[in-house]
Amino acid sequence: DTAVSQTPKYLVTQMGNDKSIKCEQNLGHDTMYWYKQDSKKFLKIMFSYNNKELIINETVPNRFSPKSPDKAHLNLHINSLELGDSAVYFCASSPASLDTEAFFGQGTRLTVV
Amino acid sequence: AQSVTQLDSQVPVFEEAPVELRCNYSSSVSVYLFWYVQYPNQGLQLLLKYLSGSTLVESINGFEAEFNKSQTSFHLRKPSVHISDTAEYFCAVTQGAGGGADGLTFGKGTHLIIQP
Repeated sequence: DTAVSQTPKYLVTQMGNDKSIKCEQNLGHDTMYWYKQDSKKFLKIMFSYNNKELIINETVPNRFSPKSPDKAHLNLHINSLELGDSAVYFCASSPASLDTEAFFGQGTRLTVV
Repeated sequence: AQSVTQLDSQVPVFEEAPVELRCNYSSSVSVYLFWYVQYPNQGLQLLLKYLSGSTLVESINGFEAEFNKSQTSFHLRKPSVHISDTAEYFCAVTQGAGGGADGLTFGKGTHLIIQP
């Protein structure tokens, strides 16, 4: 069984649309994250979420909003999509103490046209 | 604040030759260090990690990395590479404190290209 799963794997949409990416982890981890990988493969954290505490990277536009219905899920909502939002988005999870590694999903390739 | 520098964006190596991928970090507190590998069109997989203890850590597929606190480095090495090692390699760091709220800080990645 996949530890961290994301859907969809590919997402093509037009500018201005609103879209969501779903993430689920079955590892029992307390903390979940969203990372963005740009066209140059640079990875940067967007959000971390732990027991209802949300840590936001200050560089992330407020068009992006994470929503966690429960401990095992952290979805990413994006409003008014822009061309520059095209990237690969990775969900990850880790135990609370993070004295171990984070586990990553397979990524969602978002293309805004 | 912490940062990671991977000095080489691309490293071409002949098959069966040794390779070293360089990683330096900057942090005002103690850190945990990781190497992740990303094969084409796939997600990130942990290659190896340094948490504490022995400064030399090894992976199951022949890679090793050595934590050098004085040089703030965590270079990745393999004595003999294979075509299947072609991938993007990311060095990452996180602070030692519990909670993990800051997540991982990644370097910009090194593309390892194995030439036959």
